[in-house]
Amino acid sequence: AQTVTQSQPEMSVQEAETVTLSCTYDTSESDYYLFWYKQPPSRQMILVIRQEAYKQQNATENRFSVNFQKAAKSFSLKISDSQLGDAAMYFCAYRSDSGNTPLVFGKGTRLSVIA
Amino acid sequence: DADVTQTPRNRITKTGKRIMLECSQTKGHDRMYWYRQDPGLGLRLIYYSFDVKDINKGEISDGYSVSRQAQAKFSLSLESAIPNQTALYFCATSDSRPGTGAFRNQPQHFGDGTRLSIL
Repeated sequence: AQTVTQSQPEMSVQEAETVTLSCTYDTSESDYYLFWYKQPPSRQMILVIRQEAYKQQNATENRFSVNFQKAAKSFSLKISDSQLGDAAMYFCAYRSDSGNTPLVFGKGTRLSVIA
Repeated sequence: DADVTQTPRNRITKTGKRIMLECSQTKGHDRMYWYRQDPGLGLRLIYYSFDVKDINKGEISDGYSVSRQAQAKFSLSLESAIPNQTALYFCATSDSRPGTGAFRNQPQHFGDGTRLSIL
């Protein structure tokens, strides 16, 4: 079974600075999809960014970008120009491309933004 | 109005009670999921359904049951609630219908969660 590991339970960043959240996963598959979700204090789960494993180009969404290293099975999230509203729990998630499988989530990283 | 609606938003109940958490969606998605979130454990899958006639157990299904009453409705029941089922519960949907493209890269869409406390 696939597993997703987020090794940083908590992180903090100064406002306007850049922070990188780590995510690694374990799989024997070659095709799959990766996601980062944000959970602010309102507890909503909000999709931040997604990456298809067959794409070499790293996904980018405004201030959010990923560093996808397929060989290393690593999928880190970089947040540039951090804002107070970025403070949240961030979850990394994996979905297999082989059949009907739901998302597998990591345990999350709590990000604090310091003014 | 929210696309994925969970009721109730919060619930406090006693050990041994039967509890039902409800989820409805207006997105027209075929797939629905129930997760629970505990501090330090992330989201863990309880049950999932790919259509009305298809129900599958997830990682932590013991002590839970589900019913997919219609494509838009998926309820989660705790037959006899116990304190270690205290958690935040999420319903989610996703779309695998033909014509929606590479459905496997479609994200799951979440409700706002039900915070359940069992005393």
